[in-house]
Amino acid sequence: ETGVTQTPRHLVMGMTNKKSLKCEQHLGHNAMYWYKQSAKKPLELMFVYNFKEQTENNSVPSRFSPECPNSSHLFLHLHTLQPEDSALYLCASSLPSDRSTDTQYFGPGTRLTVL
Amino acid sequence: GENVEQHPSTLSVQEGDSAVIKCTYSDSASNYFPWYKQELGKGPQLIIDIRSNVGEKKDQRIAVTLNKTAKHFSLHITETQPEDSAVYFCAAKRGYSTLTFGKGTMLLVSP
Repeated sequence: ETGVTQTPRHLVMGMTNKKSLKCEQHLGHNAMYWYKQSAKKPLELMFVYNFKEQTENNSVPSRFSPECPNSSHLFLHLHTLQPEDSALYLCASSLPSDRSTDTQYFGPGTRLTVL
Repeated sequence: GENVEQHPSTLSVQEGDSAVIKCTYSDSASNYFPWYKQELGKGPQLIIDIRSNVGEKKDQRIAVTLNKTAKHFSLHITETQPEDSAVYFCAAKRGYSTLTFGKGTMLLVSP
């Protein structure tokens, strides 16, 4: 275990559903990340939060809405997704990402399937 | 921005052989290079990292080498074992930027 947990581990949803992914870290970190992992593609960084403030949004469609209520919890709210959004969604945490060596620790991911 | 290329995409070896995975990066100012291992059903796990002020780092059967002039770095696994089978990702980072990952290498170690 890396100290980063994600729920649910698997999620199947229709295009009109609304669901949320949850991430929790027990490492005392202050930075949290959402990544999308699709087959045959590099890990795609979606969002970065430092000390609960969003510091990076990599042109992610508005149907993905992150929320970071505190440094230990991170959510990804999903609504009106498309089938091409099916992927493994990974959460990671680190010391503040403005450090030159922010080793990131990943959770196990949520396997999302959009029908 | 940074661009990281990783080769090969798939690597098959016999148990006991060595495995080498190579990555190149585009930003000469990148100074931190971690390697992650991702097993089936799990998230990526850091296995070794290297900073730009050293050329090589070793941890038991795993080593990483860095050539700043050529802008490439490599992961070396010696005496491979079936449990080394996984997807391996390299990444690069410049200063205060976020990590840029390669596309991954699937390593298959046959008994």
